[in-house]
Amino acid sequence: KAGVTQTPRYLIKTRGQQVTLSCSPISGHRSVSWYQQTPGQGLQFLFEYFSETQRNKGNFPGRFSGRQFSNSRSEMNVSTLELGDSALYLCASSPRQGSENSPLHFGNGTRLTVT
Amino acid sequence: DQQVKQNSPSLSVQEGRISILNCDYTNSMFDYFLWYKKYPAEGPTFLISISSIKDKNEDGRFTVFLNKSAKHLSLHIVPSQPGDSAVYFCAAKDSGAGSYQLTFGKGTKLSVIP
Repeated sequence: KAGVTQTPRYLIKTRGQQVTLSCSPISGHRSVSWYQQTPGQGLQFLFEYFSETQRNKGNFPGRFSGRQFSNSRSEMNVSTLELGDSALYLCASSPRQGSENSPLHFGNGTRLTVT
Repeated sequence: DQQVKQNSPSLSVQEGRISILNCDYTNSMFDYFLWYKKYPAEGPTFLISISSIKDKNEDGRFTVFLNKSAKHLSLHIVPSQPGDSAVYFCAAKDSGAGSYQLTFGKGTKLSVIP
C-alpha cells in the first residue's frame, strides 16, 4: 500500500508570492490533516479535512487555507508569503475522522523556503 | 501554553541498554497518546500508541507507559539499537473533540552509541 505522498518535496519562493502544496493520502483514508514544523515551534496543527469539509483549523492566519477533493486528495495554499512561513509542511492521513483512535500516517513533507 | 512537554531535548544511550523517553501533558481531556520517530528529511513514523483506559502497551522492543494521575507517559526501548537514533515526538489527542487533531511535544533527540 502506498504511503502518503506530498509534492513537491522542496520549494523556494519569494516573500509576497503564494504557494500550493499537494497531498495524496493512503488509499481508503478519508481524513487529511496538515501540520507545520519549525525548529522553534515544533509540529503545529494547521487544519483537518474530512469528506471535502474542513473540520478544524489551528491558530494560523487566514493566509493559510486548504481544500479536499472528492478522491480525498488535498491541497493547502499559503498566500502573501512571509519569511516566517519557511518550514516543513507535513500532510497526514487517517482512515476516519473525529473520535476514532487510529494513528496518523505522515508523508515526507514539503520543505518551503521563503526568501 | 505547551500542553504536551518533552523536557529532555536530547538523550544518549549505549547500544543494548534501555532508552527511556518522557512526556508530560496538562490537558486532562487528552485520552489517546502516540509516539512518533522522525529521521531528518522524512516525515514522522508512527511507533506505538496507548489509550487512556490502559496503563501499558507493548510492541516488540517498544513499551509505552501511561500514568494518568501524574499526566505522564514514557516510551521504553529495550534493547536500544543504533538505528533507533532519531528524534522522538510524543503526541496527544482529545477523542471527544470531534476532529482529528494531535498536539505534539517538541521532541527528544535520541542518540544510541555503538
